Amino acid sequence: EVQLVESGGDLVQPGGSLRLSCAASGFTFSAYSMNWVRQAPGKELEWVSYISTSSTTIYYTDPVRGRFTISRDDATNSLYLQMNSLRAEDTAMYYCARGVDLATIGGLVYWGQGTLVTVSS
Amino acid sequence: DIQMTQSPSTLSASVGDRVTITCRASQSISSWLAWYQQKPGKAPKLLINKASTLESGVPSRFSGSGSGTEFTLTISSLQPDDFATYYCQQYHLYSTFGQGTQVEI
Repeated sequence: EVQLVESGGDLVQPGGSLRLSCAASGFTFSAYSMNWVRQAPGKELEWVSYISTSSTTIYYTDPVRGRFTISRDDATNSLYLQMNSLRAEDTAMYYCARGVDLATIGGLVYWGQGTLVTVSS
Repeated sequence: DIQMTQSPSTLSASVGDRVTITCRASQSISSWLAWYQQKPGKAPKLLINKASTLESGVPSRFSGSGSGTEFTLTISSLQPDDFATYYCQQYHLYSTFGQGTQVEI
């Protein structure tokens, strides 16, 4: 059974940093690209970042480029999102997600339960 | 950036109704479109991939169509479990979600 479990969400002050983790199991993690998607309270889904296998290709949505860094550790089946210079508008539930296909940014069939990031003073 | 516009934003319907949700892309995305269902407090659930491919385990009352810039999600006979918010997602160029369509009674 595929499982994605996020952790690391917390209350942080504006300008602060946070590192989210996603523990994957039930599939060959190294064979799949991965994504982070967020959802602000009461708002629509927003794709945040994508990382390919072997970390060769990385994409970010414009609002987070230069502040967030996606990474992966295939040895521990883990996905990460390092979030720096956090702003109030980064407040959201953050999901890690995997696609149906090996290398895809869409068609996300497996999702974690999410981890909540709140940026507030 | 590719913008995705869903309509309507809210849809009032009854059990048994045929429901259609439209998603328009600001430029052609070929068939790189997915549809999701989301219920309060839960992660999204993939319904349709590549515009019209029904995901395994999804009831056949759900169908997707379209290509280029205009896409539709159809629920042929609305069931009580279908009352939720639906999102489209383009993945032709990076990724963008639509703003969502809430299907309510």
